[in-house]
Amino acid sequence: GIQVEQSPPDLILQEGANSTLRCNFSDSVNNLQWFHQNPWGQLINLFYIPSGTKQNGRLSATTVATERYSLLYISSSQTTDSGVYFCAVETGNQFYFGTGTSLTVIP
Amino acid sequence: EPEVTQTPSHQVTQMGQEVILRCVPISNHLYFYWYRQILGQKVEFLVSFYNNEISEKSEIFDDQFSVERPDGSNFTLKIRSTKLEDSAMYFCASSWLAAGELFFGEGSRLTVL
Repeated sequence: GIQVEQSPPDLILQEGANSTLRCNFSDSVNNLQWFHQNPWGQLINLFYIPSGTKQNGRLSATTVATERYSLLYISSSQTTDSGVYFCAVETGNQFYFGTGTSLTVIP
Repeated sequence: EPEVTQTPSHQVTQMGQEVILRCVPISNHLYFYWYRQILGQKVEFLVSFYNNEISEKSEIFDDQFSVERPDGSNFTLKIRSTKLEDSAMYFCASSWLAAGELFFGEGSRLTVL
């Protein structure tokens, strides 16, 4: 099956710092989503981004499908950004999740 | 904003017992999914459901598992005889299109003792 790798696995930031999370995938995909799993375990939709660039407030994402990667940018990080960030790619009517990046933002 | 709702939020059961997890997908969505996440691990696909039948299932989704849409609004996951290793967070999701944007419920945490 398709492999989805995320980096870095863990990240600690000072509040206000910027960061870039990366998602690499091993095969062509139809769609890609980014999720934030908060400390209560909820999966929050961030972006549905099969290609191109989208922005939502302090967050933005870029997917380059032809090169099989996606990037999630977090600017001016806040403590509420802490949690695990997952990318998920779709092929064959299944979404495959990456291993996640665990982000801790310290005040 | 429409959302996927799941019940119960947490269930504790004894090994060997049957468990039913319930989900109400977003009302105009056509595709329904169950995923699970063992503590500290990534989210894994279990099954997808469309037009009242299973469209895809993973290796995890063995004969102990079944899904049903009994009444046009609920979507259920049944585990017939729970095992310790079934302890996990189970997420229901729905989408309007096949492989369209997924919307997840808040999850049902299952603990098997």
